[in-house]
Amino acid sequence: DAGITQSPRHKVTETGTPVTLRCHQTENHRYMYWYRQDPGHGLRLIHYSYGVKDTDKGEVSDGYSVSRSKTEDFLLTLESATSSQTSVYFCAIRQGAFYGYTFGSGTRLTVV
Amino acid sequence: QQQVKQSPQSLIVQKGGISIINCAYENTAFDYFPWYQQFPGKGPALLIAIRPDVSEKKEGRFTISFNKSAKQFSLHIMDSQPGDSATYFCAAGGGSNYKLTFGKGTLLTVNP
Repeated sequence: DAGITQSPRHKVTETGTPVTLRCHQTENHRYMYWYRQDPGHGLRLIHYSYGVKDTDKGEVSDGYSVSRSKTEDFLLTLESATSSQTSVYFCAIRQGAFYGYTFGSGTRLTVV
Repeated sequence: QQQVKQSPQSLIVQKGGISIINCAYENTAFDYFPWYQQFPGKGPALLIAIRPDVSEKKEGRFTISFNKSAKQFSLHIMDSQPGDSATYFCAAGGGSNYKLTFGKGTLLTVNP
């Protein structure tokens, strides 16, 4: 399996501050995804990338931006954090045939 | 708009019993149907997946049944064990960029 690491693992931030989460992979997988997980909502796609500097929105992209300046790193930024963005954020890479995703261990973000 | 509906939300099964989780989808463009297993504090992990050209796929104690005409698919866990206690997500994917839409999840508890 490709190594995929997310940082930080936990973060508490104040409302209105910018926050950046990092997803790093050790192999050259083209497709990367950011999901958020909330009770009662399952996993919802925020943004995804299909190559360096190629990104697109998912179903819950409002308030989030992403960047991918090199293959191994996919950054998720909350421009001005709100309490509704308190969640667990997962990064995933498409690995293998069809839609075989490998997920990172997640970042638990709390906005106070 | 929920494109993948999963039920039940929670399920309690005795050790050795059969666990059944159901999912229904709306988008006929979906062509890949994976199931993910998630333990507390971990990212989801791919468990088993099926394409719509087959009606059933079995891997060990885990079986996916797929009904294309009804747009439904289900996960059966035979001889359920306490170690199977986890949250299970169904998902569906189709089209470009290999995006997956997830169900809301089922919390499975297997009592010893």
